[in-house]
Parts: sequence; C-alpha cells; structure tokens
Amino acid sequence: QQKVQQSPESLSVPEGGMASLNCTSSDRNFQYFWWYRQHSGEGPKALMSIFSDGDKKEGRFTAHLNKASLHVSLHIRDSQPSDSALYFCAVYNMGYKLTFGTGTSLLVDP
Amino acid sequence: NAGVIQTPRHKVTGKGQEATLWCEPISGHSAVFWYRQTIVQGLEFLTYFRNQAPIDDSGMPKERFSAQMPNQSHSTLKIQSTQPQDSAVYLCASSWTGENTLYFGAGTRLSVL
Repeated sequence: QQKVQQSPESLSVPEGGMASLNCTSSDRNFQYFWWYRQHSGEGPKALMSIFSDGDKKEGRFTAHLNKASLHVSLHIRDSQPSDSALYFCAVYNMGYKLTFGTGTSLLVDP
Repeated sequence: NAGVIQTPRHKVTGKGQEATLWCEPISGHSAVFWYRQTIVQGLEFLTYFRNQAPIDDSGMPKERFSAQMPNQSHSTLKIQSTQPQDSAVYLCASSWTGENTLYFGAGTRLSVL
C-alpha cells in the first residue's frame, strides 16, 4: 500500500521567515504531487501541484520535485500568521485517487 | 459558487445508532469523493463516484458503511450501528472528471458516545 510520509510533524517559524516542508512517496507510479492546506474548522484547500522535476513557483510558495528520490518539498517565503495551518502532501494516481500524507502543522509566530 | 456543502457540521450519536451524512457537490462536478480524517490515521480515502456511479469503495469498512449518490446534486454516507472508533471528521470533495483538483467541504464531525 502506498505511503506518503511528511516531515517535520510540526514547525514553528517567525513572521516573515521561510518555512520548509518535506514529503516522500513510496510509489513511483504517481502522476502528480499536490500540496493542500487546511485551516482549523475547514476542509483542505489545494495550493499547488507539481509533476516535473525542478521548481514550481506560485507567489510566496515554491514546490520542488525530485522524481528520482520521489521527494517533494514546499517552501513558503515571507511567512504570514494566516499561513498557520495543517499542510498535506498528496500523491495523485490511478486517474482519480489522491493519497494524503501524514501532515505538517505550521505555526507562524507574529 | 457556494462550494461543497456538507450537513450537518456536527453530529453526536450513541453507540449502536445510525448516522447519515450529506454532501452537496459543486454544481457541474461529476466526481465525488468521501474521506475520513482522524488524528491517528490522517486523511483516509473511503469511496469515489463518477457521474453518480460507484467506482471505487476500497476504503470503506465493509460491514457498517455505505455510500450512495442518487442524483448529481447529493451524496450520502451512512454508518450503521456506530461505534466510538467511527468518531472522526468525514470530508466530502468534488471535482470535474479528469481534473485532479479536489474541492473539499468543511466536513461533518461525528462523535459517537
């Protein structure tokens, strides 16, 4: 069964700092990696996806994928208190299924 | 666009009672998913419908859980004889077929006493 591992479990950064989150999949048959963010009391919301080796930037968020090691990272620059949330990495395959990782809880201290 | 609507937001049942959770997907979305979220297990896939047809229920506990999608505007997840271990947040999501962005509802928090 495919596993998606995330690290660290929790992370605290000062406002304006850089947050770095990591994710590794055990399944080479992925189509996309996704990052989702979940604020307390809400459902997860899609942040960005990546399927090519290298970096993908969207505003303050940069995802980096290394297909050979099945590792993806998410970097949030100029972190804001509103970025405090649970961040999930997810692997998309089989044409429809998203398998989620264990999650990283990010706290941005104002 | 109101997004995916889930009702109720909170449900409390006694052990052995039945719970029915409702989901209204985004209009025009043809794919509907149910996930369960707990602290220990995280986000677990339960079941998937495409154009109202059940496609994959591999994540559903076989005996007490069932899901239906009688029309394109709503899906239900029914749990019979609820047990304390069923306590979780149940999340519904929808998307266009072939598009891999899932849009989640706010979830139903089920508490089984």
